[in-house]
Amino acid sequence: KQEVTQIPAALSVPEGENLVLNCSFTDSAIYNLQWFRQDPGKGLTSLLLIQSSQREQTSGRLNASLDKSSGRSTLYIAASQPGDSATYLCAVKRGTYKYIFGTGTRLKVLA
Amino acid sequence: AAGVIQSPRHLIKEKRETATLKCYPIPRHDTVYWYQQGPGQDPQFLISFYEKMQSDKGSIPDRFSAQQFSDYHSELNMSSLELGDSALYFCASRQAGAKDTQYFGPGTRLTVL
Repeated sequence: KQEVTQIPAALSVPEGENLVLNCSFTDSAIYNLQWFRQDPGKGLTSLLLIQSSQREQTSGRLNASLDKSSGRSTLYIAASQPGDSATYLCAVKRGTYKYIFGTGTRLKVLA
Repeated sequence: AAGVIQSPRHLIKEKRETATLKCYPIPRHDTVYWYQQGPGQDPQFLISFYEKMQSDKGSIPDRFSAQQFSDYHSELNMSSLELGDSALYFCASRQAGAKDTQYFGPGTRLTVL
């Protein structure tokens, strides 16, 4: 059974810091891995999608890497801003293309 | 661009009542997924449909049922509601053959009192 774990569970940093959020999964048979952002009580916003054959994807201040063999992905946020405060979820896609979500990292960036 | 529509956005029910959540996928999307996200929890896959047939089943209670209709919209029916059913329910849709592009709706927040 696929399990997806995110570390740390919560993170509080001053504005301007570079951050690394970690995601690990137990079964490497995935189609892809996706990072989402979720604001409190809100829906899911897709940030980055990495195909199983890819190593990384970049969008603005965000960079996500994937090491399928070791079952790990990292989300790098450069020059963090208070507006980045949210919960970040990683999710792996497998089987009938359903998502299995990680436990989430709750990020707070202090002004 | 059209997005996934969920209705209602908010729903308040009493214990033991019944609730119906609706999901309208993006046009030409034929696959629908339902997820449940409890307070402080990560979303959990419930059930999915492809071409009006159930394609996969996750941790969906027997009190819940779902179906996909001829126009591809889907409904999640929840009976004998319990306090623990209070959650955000997401629907996502996908077009067969486009395994990468799955779009999430804004969610329905169900509160059971």
